[in-house]
Amino acid sequence: DGGITQSPKYLFRKEGQNVTLSCEQNLNHDAMYWYRQDPGQGLRLIYYSQIVNDFQKGDIAEGYSVSREKKESFPLTVTSAQKNPTAFYLCASGTTSTDTQYFGPGTRLTVL
Amino acid sequence: GQNIDQPTEMTATEGAIVQINCTYQTSGFNGLFWYQQHAGEAPTFLSYNVLDGLEEKGRFSSFLSRSKGYSYLLLKELQMKDSASYLCAVARAGSYQLTFGKGTKLSVIP
Repeated sequence: DGGITQSPKYLFRKEGQNVTLSCEQNLNHDAMYWYRQDPGQGLRLIYYSQIVNDFQKGDIAEGYSVSREKKESFPLTVTSAQKNPTAFYLCASGTTSTDTQYFGPGTRLTVL
Repeated sequence: GQNIDQPTEMTATEGAIVQINCTYQTSGFNGLFWYQQHAGEAPTFLSYNVLDGLEEKGRFSSFLSRSKGYSYLLLKELQMKDSASYLCAVARAGSYQLTFGKGTKLSVIP
């Protein structure tokens, strides 16, 4: 099946720990994105990548890091520097010939 | 900068028609998207408008007026499964980024 996968669906971590969220796609999309969604806030862009080995900060990149070593994979690390990490994290991908983005199922991160 | 406004919540009756409005102010515009998001799930693509006018796709239609910075999503013959949040998003010119509104939570009642 073609699509975008994120794992795990639910993740719990203690405060002060780094945590990495996975995102994999087999749609052959060049572009990949990470968003954060909080109640009443809408989706906010954390990082995006248009090509392997290159990525750019979005609107709320502080406290996060990413890598894009393979076209299919775009993992997001939530570091201990992120002041309020509890949120629903969504990964998306798209081609560079269209603006349409397709979303993975999301990971709900709770930091205790 | 980007500013996107849509109503926070709406309620409509099963079988009826509902219109969800979205207004935007942007420094660069490539098109406007509508996504549907059920609670706890990922957004799914509904429509993409680049040119002015109405695009119809089954029970859902989307309208765009670029000169007025205005779009709406029209849902006909509402069903209970249409209860969801509807997200308006603007594609930024010169990039592959989308800016999302805060979403409109639609509740369909019997």
